[in-house]
Amino acid sequence: QSVLTQPPSASGTPGQRVTISCSGRRSNIGSNFVSWYQQLPGMAPKRLIFMNNQRPSGVPDRFSGAKSGTSASLAISGLRSDDEAEYYCSAWDDSLSGRVFGGGTKLTVL
Amino acid sequence: EVQLVESGGGLVKPGGSLRLSCAASGFSITPYTMNWVRQAPGKGLEWVSSITSSSNVLYYTDSVRGRFTISRDNAKNSLYLQMNSLRVEDTAMYYCASDDARGYAFDSWGQGTLVTVTP
Repeated sequence: QSVLTQPPSASGTPGQRVTISCSGRRSNIGSNFVSWYQQLPGMAPKRLIFMNNQRPSGVPDRFSGAKSGTSASLAISGLRSDDEAEYYCSAWDDSLSGRVFGGGTKLTVL
Repeated sequence: EVQLVESGGGLVKPGGSLRLSCAASGFSITPYTMNWVRQAPGKGLEWVSSITSSSNVLYYTDSVRGRFTISRDNAKNSLYLQMNSLRVEDTAMYYCASDDARGYAFDSWGQGTLVTVTP
């Protein structure tokens, strides 16, 4: 059971916009920055979003992050087939004194 | 090119030990908190441990505290994880990851080293 809650799956067609949610508590998302990671099949994770809504250089602006209260979300617009991957949210948890992850959301591009 | 390369994984029996290493190249790990993150087969990511830049603060997830020890050698640009009293449930791919400059996210990741604990 992950500390942060994500839907196990999401899907969309090419060109569509999809949103993945991440729910937590005051001790994690409510008090700290959220980051998002993309893990392509068989690959190591890659940072997509940091500090709630910041994109590292090289990450397309089709990816955007948002946070409100104890929840966060990742939006992907202009969906492409190579966006098929597992997506994870993460934050520091003040109560646990450690990093926590969501359980991951498998995105399927139909 | 920034690179993190893990090594030291393998097959071990319950109760055994392994020492994982992570060699960094293309950047200096000195200023950054470094981390170990694991992923059991077919499962999600799980943070394992973090060590601050000067090794003065160590963090562990509850399930490994007292069994695993994180360390670093900034002069060798390397990170380590000593794993003792291994359990079947420690079976996973272990990734080394550096924090980003602000320390709020995992930035660069290695490709991982597989640890399999089996009777």
